[in-house]
Amino acid sequence: TQLLEQSPQFLSIQEGENLTVYCNSSSVFSSLQWYRQEPGEGPVLLVTVVTGGEVKKLKRLTFQFGDARKDSSLHITAAQPGDTGLYLCAGASYNTDKLIFGTGTRLQVFP
Amino acid sequence: DVKVTQSSRYLVKRTGEKVFLECVQDMDHENMFWYRQDPGLGLRLIYFSYDVKMKEKGDIPEGYSVSREKKERFSLILESASTNQTSMYLCASTPGTSDSDTQYFGPGTRLTVL
Repeated sequence: TQLLEQSPQFLSIQEGENLTVYCNSSSVFSSLQWYRQEPGEGPVLLVTVVTGGEVKKLKRLTFQFGDARKDSSLHITAAQPGDTGLYLCAGASYNTDKLIFGTGTRLQVFP
Repeated sequence: DVKVTQSSRYLVKRTGEKVFLECVQDMDHENMFWYRQDPGLGLRLIYFSYDVKMKEKGDIPEGYSVSREKKERFSLILESASTNQTSMYLCASTPGTSDSDTQYFGPGTRLTVL
């Protein structure tokens, strides 16, 4: 079974701090997506990365796909309370036709 | 705007009851998915469907079945609910058959089985 491990599982920080969330696997993925889920809602896509080493920026969020396409990171600069939520990575596998979701990182940003 | 709706936000059922969870998408998407979400486990795929009347097992299909009689509607059925099926259930749809397609999720149904 393919696994996508995210770390940390929980993160509680003050507004203005920086943070990084990691998504790791022993499997290679053709692409990787990051979703954010707010309380009471379903996950919403933030970004898709498809090329090894690719870096994408979405305002204060920076996403990187590992060179070997086995891992990814999400860096948030100057976190704000509106960034609070559950962050999920999801990998598209070469071996199956399904998306594999990570274990999730719950972020709480306090004012 | 893309919209996926689920029939209930909260459900409480008793052990042994038959439970129906309904999902409707208004985007004419081909593919629909049912996941369950549990803390620390992320989203786990229960069943998915690439076409009307077509279904495929996901990673954890035991204790569940599905029905897709119309393109826009995908139902998840718990034939005899058990307490270990207490969870958040999320429905999603995608437009095509590529794994990198955006998954559009409904708001979820939080099911409690007593």
